[in-house]
Amino acid sequence: DAGVIQSPRHEVTEMGQEVTLRCKPISGHNSLFWYRQTMMRGLELLIYFNNNVPIDDSGMPEDRFSAKMPNASFSTLKIQPSEPRDSAVYFCASRTGGNQPQHFGDGTRLSIL
Amino acid sequence: AQSVTQPDIHITVSEGASLELRCNYSYGATPYLFWYVQSPGQGLQLLLKYFSGDTLVQGIKGFEAEFKRSQSSFNLRKPSVHWSDAAEYFCAVGPNQAGTALIFGKGTTLSVSS
Repeated sequence: DAGVIQSPRHEVTEMGQEVTLRCKPISGHNSLFWYRQTMMRGLELLIYFNNNVPIDDSGMPEDRFSAKMPNASFSTLKIQPSEPRDSAVYFCASRTGGNQPQHFGDGTRLSIL
Repeated sequence: AQSVTQPDIHITVSEGASLELRCNYSYGATPYLFWYVQSPGQGLQLLLKYFSGDTLVQGIKGFEAEFKRSQSSFNLRKPSVHWSDAAEYFCAVGPNQAGTALIFGKGTTLSVSS
């Protein structure tokens, strides 16, 4: 079975540029989560969707970050404009309802120069 | 407030020795509990989960965990550690409710010495 698919795996860009991270959840999973992981702050939940609807975006750092889920099989996390402090590994995870675990993608390693 | 605490930031264990990673949680209702492992450059992989029933659960790679309600703990154990077990380990707790997010601890990094 295909797991959670994230693209790109690595992204290096200059400060001020727009960055778009992509995620394809596991088919049939109705919840999708975006996380950011850094050495300093660990694993942080940014936002999550249930049935394509954003449920909790309180973890989104600021207005430069936005996330969308136009359909059940695709989500994007966008940073505009990007800053060096946004450098991190960004993970997407998906889950079915109730007591099921979250399944993680391999992450996108983002470096903002 | 709901929270997960992993008291040990970093642990070093000799290869072949036993391992116990601690996890304590604060949760209002009966929680669902999970342990994940993250190898360098990889995403988080589920090791095991506890929902109900037998408080000792078996997972992949020879790991097990024991749920102790009285101590609000869900410690991860392995009788004999292999060098390939060196990784970061995360404990997580969640409700039995659709469309909710798990709460993760800050992780414990395991180093294995030869």
